[in-house]
Amino acid sequence: AQRVTQPEKLLSVFKGAPVELKCNYSYSGSPELFWYVQYSRQRLQLLLRHISRESIKGFTADLNKGETSFHLKKPFAQEEDSAMYYCALMEGSNYKLTFGKGTLLTVNP
Amino acid sequence: DADVTQTPRNRITKTGKRIMLECSQTKGHDRMYWYRQDPGLGLQLIYYSFDVKDINKGEISDGYSVSRQAQAKFSLSLESAIPNQTALYFCATSDSREGTDTQYFGPGTRLTVL
Repeated sequence: AQRVTQPEKLLSVFKGAPVELKCNYSYSGSPELFWYVQYSRQRLQLLLRHISRESIKGFTADLNKGETSFHLKKPFAQEEDSAMYYCALMEGSNYKLTFGKGTLLTVNP
Repeated sequence: DADVTQTPRNRITKTGKRIMLECSQTKGHDRMYWYRQDPGLGLQLIYYSFDVKDINKGEISDGYSVSRQAQAKFSLSLESAIPNQTALYFCATSDSREGTDTQYFGPGTRLTVL
């Protein structure tokens, strides 16, 4: 069963517009959720994790247990935000990540 | 993060050949992982190891084997490569002492099986 769903394969916005990358998960326990990002020609890296409740590069993500969602948001997109974004779920304490299929974000000038 | 390296970076091979992909890390992390990335499928876990004596299968281990030669080295082998193993392969590490569960990825190995 798919545990992490990213419904949008591609997302295109204009610079300065708000952006929201959707992530829904399926897990009955207490999940730990992450957003990883892969910029062009760079390796995959952690963007943020829900437990930290932090904002990185202007991005935030709130865990909504009722809707089982962990959407990534930024109020004003920048061209340098163009990248592949992966939502990932860690179940309990097994330290394995289950990744969504990814969303390719393109921010147009 | 240059602390996690993978060799080779690119490899083209033929069906039936044995291939080994190597991952080394200087981060001192105890946990290591192998993933494959296919377009439209995201990353899928092949094998993972929580220490030198601990090896576990991931979601898609069939056709692959691994060896944790030392804490710093984790190799992935394809005993008899087939075309549908053409993919981008990533190694990752994490530190059980860090408390953040963050995984640090290598640059990837692009494997093509003809």
